[in-house]
Amino acid sequence: ELKVEQNPLFLSMQEGKNYTIYCNYSTTSDRLYWYRQDPGKSLESLFVLLSNGAVKQEGRLMASLDTKARLSTLHITAAVHDLSATYFCAVDLTVGSQGNLIFGKGTKLSVKP
Amino acid sequence: DTGVSQDPRHKITKRGQNVTFRCDPISEHNRLYWYRQTLGQGPEFLTYFQNEAQLEKSRLLSDRFSAERPKGSFSTLEIQRTEQGDSAMYLCASSFASGGAIYGYTFGSGTRLTVV
Repeated sequence: ELKVEQNPLFLSMQEGKNYTIYCNYSTTSDRLYWYRQDPGKSLESLFVLLSNGAVKQEGRLMASLDTKARLSTLHITAAVHDLSATYFCAVDLTVGSQGNLIFGKGTKLSVKP
Repeated sequence: DTGVSQDPRHKITKRGQNVTFRCDPISEHNRLYWYRQTLGQGPEFLTYFQNEAQLEKSRLLSDRFSAERPKGSFSTLEIQRTEQGDSAMYLCASSFASGGAIYGYTFGSGTRLTVV
C-alpha cells in the first residue's frame, strides 16, 4: 500500500526562523506536488517537481525532490506570519491511463511573532 | 475561464437524504477528479474521469456514491442515504492529460457537506 508521510504534522515557528518539512513516500514516482491550504479553503498549488534533483523556489519557500530516496522537502526561510497554513505533499501515481494523487496528512504551520 | 467551479459551497442535510454536488472543470481539461477531505486529513481520492469515461473508482466510493460526467464536461457526485460519516469537504480537480503525461491539477473551492 502506498504511503505518503509528512513530518512534522504540526510546526510552530517564530518569525524569522528557518525550518524544513519532510515528505517520504513508499513507491516509485517521479512527480510530486506541494499544496497550501488555508482554513476552510481549497488547495493552492505551490510546486510541481517532475524529476530527480528538481529544486524550485518561490519567495521564502523552496522545494526539492530526491526520487532515489523517495523524499521531498519544503524549506521555509525567514518565516513570516502569512505563511501560516497547512502544507500538503502529494505523490502522483500516474501510470499509463491511471492517475491520481496520494496526499500526506499535511503539516499545520503556525508562525508566531 | 476562471478555474474549477463547485456548487454548492456548503450543504447541510439530514441523515438519510440524498445530495448532489456539481463540478465544472477548466474547459480545456479532459480529466476530472473527485476527492474527499475530512477534518485534519489530506484529501483522499474517490474517482476520476477521462472525458466522459469513469476510469477508476476508489474503494472509498461505496454503493451509495455515484458520479457522472455526461458529455465529458461538468460532473456530478451524488450521495444517497447520507450518513454522518459522509460529512466532509468534497473537492473536485481537473487536469489535461496527453500521451501518458498529466500537466498539473487544479482544485476547486470544494463543497462542504454536513450531515446532521
